[in-house]
Amino acid sequence: EAQVTQNPRYLITVTGKKLTVTCSQNMNHEYMSWYRQDPGLGLRQIYYSMNVEVTDKGDVPEGYKVSRKEKRNFPLILESPSPNQTSLYFCASSLAGITDTQYFGPGTRLTVL
Amino acid sequence: GEDVEQSLFLSVREGDSSVINCTYTDSSSTYLYWYKQEPGAGLQLLTYIFSNMDMKQDQRLTVLLNKKDKHLSLRIADTQTGDSAIYFCAEITIYNQGGKLIFGQGTELSVKP
Repeated sequence: EAQVTQNPRYLITVTGKKLTVTCSQNMNHEYMSWYRQDPGLGLRQIYYSMNVEVTDKGDVPEGYKVSRKEKRNFPLILESPSPNQTSLYFCASSLAGITDTQYFGPGTRLTVL
Repeated sequence: GEDVEQSLFLSVREGDSSVINCTYTDSSSTYLYWYKQEPGAGLQLLTYIFSNMDMKQDQRLTVLLNKKDKHLSLRIADTQTGDSAIYFCAEITIYNQGGKLIFGQGTELSVKP
């Protein structure tokens, strides 16, 4: 089944403890991105990747890192999480770029205490 | 900058039509989208419209685009309880070699039996 998977789905952590949220797609998509969803703000793009080893900042990249060493994986790294990063995070992928249909993962709900 | 605005809540009775409205600011947007988010799930593409179209119909869904007023609407005919979800309007902004999806805040549709 074609899908985007994220792990973990739920995470509660404390300020400053490094964490990684994984994202994997099995559709051989070139384009992948991360969004955060906050009440009343919709989804905002954090980082995106056009292809392996090509990443770029979105609208709200501060406090986040990403890597794209393989086509299928696009992990989101929070080196030193803070409470303002408490949010619902979505990974998405598409065939080649932003104008192609975006397929979203199920979301990761992160709480930073 | 780019901005997409939606009202936050809409409540309708089962069997009625629902109309969800959206305004956007980027007049160069080539695609405009409607996504549906069911509780605990990621976003699912419902439908989209090219900027050179005025209307698009897909079964119970009708999308109307008024480019002059930068207004997009989604009409759901014969609304069912299964249509209860959050609906996001999104536009594409293209820049340099990339682009991004700009999402509205989401409209929570509640369908009462």
